[in-house]
Order: sequence, then structure tokens, then C-alpha cells
Amino acid sequence: GAGVSQSPSNKVTEKGKDVELRCDPISGHTALYWYRQSLGQGLEFLIYFQGNSAPDKSGLPSDRFSAERTGGSVSTLTIQRTQQEDSAVYLCASSLAGVGGSDTQYFGPGTRLTVL
Amino acid sequence: GDSVTQMEGPVTLSEEAFLTINCTYTATGYPSLFWYVQYPGEGLQLLLKATKADDKGSNKGFEATYRKETTSFHLEKGSVQVSDSAVYFCALSRSGGYNKLIFGAGTRLAVHP
Repeated sequence: GAGVSQSPSNKVTEKGKDVELRCDPISGHTALYWYRQSLGQGLEFLIYFQGNSAPDKSGLPSDRFSAERTGGSVSTLTIQRTQQEDSAVYLCASSLAGVGGSDTQYFGPGTRLTVL
Repeated sequence: GDSVTQMEGPVTLSEEAFLTINCTYTATGYPSLFWYVQYPGEGLQLLLKATKADDKGSNKGFEATYRKETTSFHLEKGSVQVSDSAVYFCALSRSGGYNKLIFGAGTRLAVHP
């Protein structure tokens, strides 16, 4: 496909369980971002990968959150010991270059996470 | 820190009305500015952007001008359609390699026939 894809589209889990969310960026895009969209906090940056550089993890809300990007392509966001406040839509985006500040980010459809 | 403030919604208009959604920002240096739109049931998509002062971004009849003196990037459209009903997000990205987007809270627009 031509766009950013994410899976699953919906995830319901019980408090305390671990979850993994997957993102497939647009082919050839070197930069990949994770954001979170929730009612209380709006759209928040979580983490940013640029090529082979160390990721910018400055937006991760706690050490229960981690992400990796294998082979410069697919990324997985992992949330350990989920809490109810983790319920949100998790959005992935990719961009061609990721530097300079003016790059257009293309967003996936998101994964809606519900923690019971 | 950097931030974006946009007018609270919902904004309710009749078809063919004039639209303005206000957006102001606080940032170090010279950020790039964006408007993203989220149609019902769809993902975020870029509507328009401007990368330096006095630039005007435009797309689908929407316009926004980067005003450094007032730190604003207000979104305008001369004649809205029902199909413009969506949530609109103003965002900034700092220059100098920091490409993460900082978003405003979003403004919901409802256009009625």
C-alpha cells in the first residue's frame, strides 16, 4: 500500500497486560514518529526515529513505554503493565527526511487502545 | 516550551459561510506551521503548511498566512461546504532538526446545509 499502515486497528486489554502496536511506514521514509491522541491530553508526541540515529524518546510518558524500529522500517510500540490512563488512539507517522522542521508527516489510521 | 493555542470549538456554520479558525503559537526560533484535518472516521492528513514568515499555505480553498509579528497562523475559507465538517488541528515543528509536531487542541467544525 502507499500509505502508513498500523495494526491492530482496535485493541482491548485488561489492566496490567502488555500490548504491542505495529506501524509500517511509507516505503523510503527515513523518519518515523509515534503520537498519542486522548480526550484529556489531545495529540502528544511520544517518540521519533530518524535513520540510524538514536531515537528521541523525550515524549514517552513512563518507562512502561518503549519502541523499536527494526531494519529502518517497521516499528513496534510496546506498553507494559497497561493502565487505564493508557487508553487512547496511538498514531504513527512517517516522513521522507525527518530533519529541518518542514518535512510533511503522513499519518496512519491509528490503533485504538482500550484498557479495562 | 513550545505550544500552540487554537480557538475552542465546536464551530457551527451554514454552507457557504466564511470560516476562520484562530491559531497562535509560542516557539523558539522560526518554526514551520501546519494545519492538519481529521475527517470523521479517517486519519490525520495535512491540509496546508508554511515554512517561513509571510508564506501563505493553501489547499482545497483553505488558506493560512504565517504571521511572525503576531505569532499566528489563522485558517480561513471563503465558502465552506458540508464536506468540510471535520476536526482541524494547528501544529508547529521547530527548525534545526527537531521535527516532532506540537499540536493545538483541535477545533471541531460542523457545516449544515
